[in-house]
Amino acid sequence: GENVEQHPSTLSVQEGDSAVIKCTYSDSASNYFPWYKQELGKRPQLIIDIRSNVGEKKDQRIAVTLNKTAKHFSLHITETQPEDSAVYFCAASPFTGGGNKLTFGTGTQLKVEL
Amino acid sequence: DARVTQTPRHKVTEMGQEVTMRCQPILGHNTVFWYRQTMMQGLELLAYFRNRAPLDDSGMPKDRFSAEMPDATLATLKIQPSEPRDSAVYFCASARGAEGETQYFGPGTRLLVL
Repeated sequence: GENVEQHPSTLSVQEGDSAVIKCTYSDSASNYFPWYKQELGKRPQLIIDIRSNVGEKKDQRIAVTLNKTAKHFSLHITETQPEDSAVYFCAASPFTGGGNKLTFGTGTQLKVEL
Repeated sequence: DARVTQTPRHKVTEMGQEVTMRCQPILGHNTVFWYRQTMMQGLELLAYFRNRAPLDDSGMPKDRFSAEMPDATLATLKIQPSEPRDSAVYFCASARGAEGETQYFGPGTRLLVL
């Protein structure tokens, strides 16, 4: 089955700096890659996703890149703000959407310091 | 703003007792997922259903866990008998269809088994 590895497990940045979180996956059939943000005590919420027919996707300060050949994808957050502090999870699925089985990475605790 | 709902939000029970967790998916969503989240194991998929039929329950300990969808608006996860190692946050998520759709998470049930 699919295996998703996520790095780093913790990340501390200064407000205004950029943050990058990286994930690798094992199943070459995977072609849907969402990212979820989970604040303390809250539910995971989708922040951005990318499908295998696209190499990069951007939404305001958040961007995701995908390299299918190398089987890795990354989350980029620019101009970080204190409210970006949370745990971020990457995931992969062999289908085109989230309505099928997702395998999650182990999470990255992002702390944005003032 | 339609959301997945879960009850109870918190549950404290003693080892050996039966625990039932309930989930109401977003109206019109036909795919329901059960996840367990712990510090050690992260987000694990326990089981998921489409159109009320189980598609995959390979992540669920069969001897004590059971999952059902009595109707399209209710999913249940039962643990009998419960054990201290079952202490975790249990999330339900729903999605509309299989392709190109986001998984929306409920608020979770925080379970503590003493």
